[in-house]
Amino acid sequence: DSGVTQTPKHLITATGQRVTLRCSPRSGDLSVYWYQQSLDQGLQFLIQYYNGEERAKGNILERFSAQQFPDLHSELNLSSLELGDSALYFCASSVRGTLNSETQYFGPGTRLLVL
Amino acid sequence: GDSVTQMEGPVTLSEEACLTINCTYTATGYPSLFWYVQYPGEGLQLLLKATKADDKGSNKGFEATYRKETTSFHLEKGSVQVSDSAVYFCALFGGSQGNLIFGKGTKLSVKP
Repeated sequence: DSGVTQTPKHLITATGQRVTLRCSPRSGDLSVYWYQQSLDQGLQFLIQYYNGEERAKGNILERFSAQQFPDLHSELNLSSLELGDSALYFCASSVRGTLNSETQYFGPGTRLLVL
Repeated sequence: GDSVTQMEGPVTLSEEACLTINCTYTATGYPSLFWYVQYPGEGLQLLLKATKADDKGSNKGFEATYRKETTSFHLEKGSVQVSDSAVYFCALFGGSQGNLIFGKGTKLSVKP
């Protein structure tokens, strides 16, 4: 158990809908990351937050957005969903997110299926 | 840009066989290198890491050495067990966003 929790574990929805994925980082970690894992694209970094502020942005679509709240939990919002958004979404956390050598601890993921 | 290339799977081995999963990288500067493992139905777990050239990371019988001259970080284990069956990801910390960049993963199946 990494200490990172994600809810829900599974999500099934329809095209055009909007969903929210939730992540709670390990106790004491200030930085949260979101990744998407799909069969064709592999594991891709989406976005990073540090202590409530966006720090880095990767291959995140404009239909997707995220935020980190004062209690440090984070939410990833996916809107106007398409079939291709079906994937496993991981959240990870680390202490500060500023060091090259810092370990990121991953949650169990949310599996999203868009029908 | 920065990237990681790891050997295609799946890899199927018998218990107690030797394992090598090749990983090479392209990066500016000197990134930290990681191996993560994903067991069926679970998230990624850090297996080992190395932060500078010639560093050797090791954990649970797995080892990998950061080779700057060959830009490689191959994962090795002398004797695999059925419980090692999982997907293994090589990653580096780098890129324009300064974050983890993963290889495509190598699925290992170990048969008794």
